[in-house]
Amino acid sequence: LAKTTQPISMDSYEGQEVNITCSHNNIATNDYITWYQQFPSQGPRFIIQGYKTKVTNEVASLFIPADRKSSTLSLPRVSLSDTAVYYCLVGTFSGGYNKLIFGAGTRLAVHP
Amino acid sequence: GAVVSQHPSRVICKSGTSVKIECRSLDFQATTMFWYRQFPKQSLMLMATSNEGSKATYEQGVEKDKFLINHASLTLSTLTVTSAHPEDSSFYICSATRDTQETQYFGPGTRLLVL
Repeated sequence: LAKTTQPISMDSYEGQEVNITCSHNNIATNDYITWYQQFPSQGPRFIIQGYKTKVTNEVASLFIPADRKSSTLSLPRVSLSDTAVYYCLVGTFSGGYNKLIFGAGTRLAVHP
Repeated sequence: GAVVSQHPSRVICKSGTSVKIECRSLDFQATTMFWYRQFPKQSLMLMATSNEGSKATYEQGVEKDKFLINHASLTLSTLTVTSAHPEDSSFYICSATRDTQETQYFGPGTRLLVL
């Protein structure tokens, strides 16, 4: 499984765009990139998933360059409620399931 | 869609007793369920993977006789912490996938405190 590297923490202010970059230099051909958000004492919440180029949904965008060795989660106009830990994961759908290994994550603090 | 529940949300027990945690997929059939453990200020650690009707696959370092996993149906998996000790106190989280091409959906977690 590819190992991921993210910044340990980030700070931002309400209304700003936040970009969190994740490195996954050893990503394999069949690996997808998935981002989760976790609040204290809650289970992780799925944010977005992609394989290559750009993916956008109602809460975030995911940018993946052609070499796929990194990815960037973009959160537009963050609010205080976006303060959480964000995990970047790389996993392969094989053997009937997608096994995920969580790294340390990025602790995002949004300030008023 | 893709809602996963856990019960109980928190439990306190005495050292030496066993505790059972349930994980249910409420609106879908889960081909595979996963169990994680998370200590304060740390990341999630995968404990085991279970498929309905099969024995669970445990990660290295996880004692299968201590953490019993049963996946009796496509919507229910249980984790039993046997002879719990204070060091087993942690946040236990389950997740489930609908099919082979989907990511994991997580439950809300269960806080276990062993006195």
